[in-house]
Amino acid sequence: NAGVTQTPKFQVLKTGQSMTLQCAQDMNHEYMSWYRQDPGMGLRLIHYSVGAGITDQGEVPNGYNVSRSTTEDFPLRLLSAAPSQTSVYFCASRRGRVNQPQHFGDGTRLSIL
Amino acid sequence: KNEVEQSPQNLTAQEGEFITINCSYSVGISALHWLQQHPGGGIVSLFMLSSGKKKHGRLIATINIQEKHSSLHITASHPRDSAVYICAVRYNYGGSQGNLIFGKGTKLSVKP
Repeated sequence: NAGVTQTPKFQVLKTGQSMTLQCAQDMNHEYMSWYRQDPGMGLRLIHYSVGAGITDQGEVPNGYNVSRSTTEDFPLRLLSAAPSQTSVYFCASRRGRVNQPQHFGDGTRLSIL
Repeated sequence: KNEVEQSPQNLTAQEGEFITINCSYSVGISALHWLQQHPGGGIVSLFMLSSGKKKHGRLIATINIQEKHSSLHITASHPRDSAVYICAVRYNYGGSQGNLIFGKGTKLSVKP
């Protein structure tokens, strides 16, 4: 059982490039989310989804796009990378009922030059 | 703004010591989570609680709803407990979809 799988683990981009961070889960979880983790700050929610076809913005959505065409996959797109988006990105999932533990991917370390 | 405050920010202990990490929050919550982030970066859920106390091995988590405070205790600490411990809460307000608000974490280092 793989849990939550994120790819790639590391990526370096140039300012203005676009890319997609992949996230897949095999637990049939309804809720999926993307966070960024920056030094000295708690994890911050970028976007989340409560089911296939449904997405919504979190605390820091600007510059990011998401879609949820299947229950399993929740890709995060950087439209035009900026140095301020240098961060570690985590994808997480949980069952649809609110008070359930979250399962995290191993993270993607992204550097924008 | 709903915030989650953790203390201390950094903690160094000798192997075998009893460790306490604190978390406080500002308004009513439906659940509080304790997470562990290993030096390699992965995040693991340790506890989810809405009242009372939970225990798993050498780890104990307590919550006091009236005081809006939770503690994570580690008994007989070991170097492998070295990690960042993160508190996160799920606030009771409509439209939140159960999203978590995270503290900044407590970095624990246990010396042999």
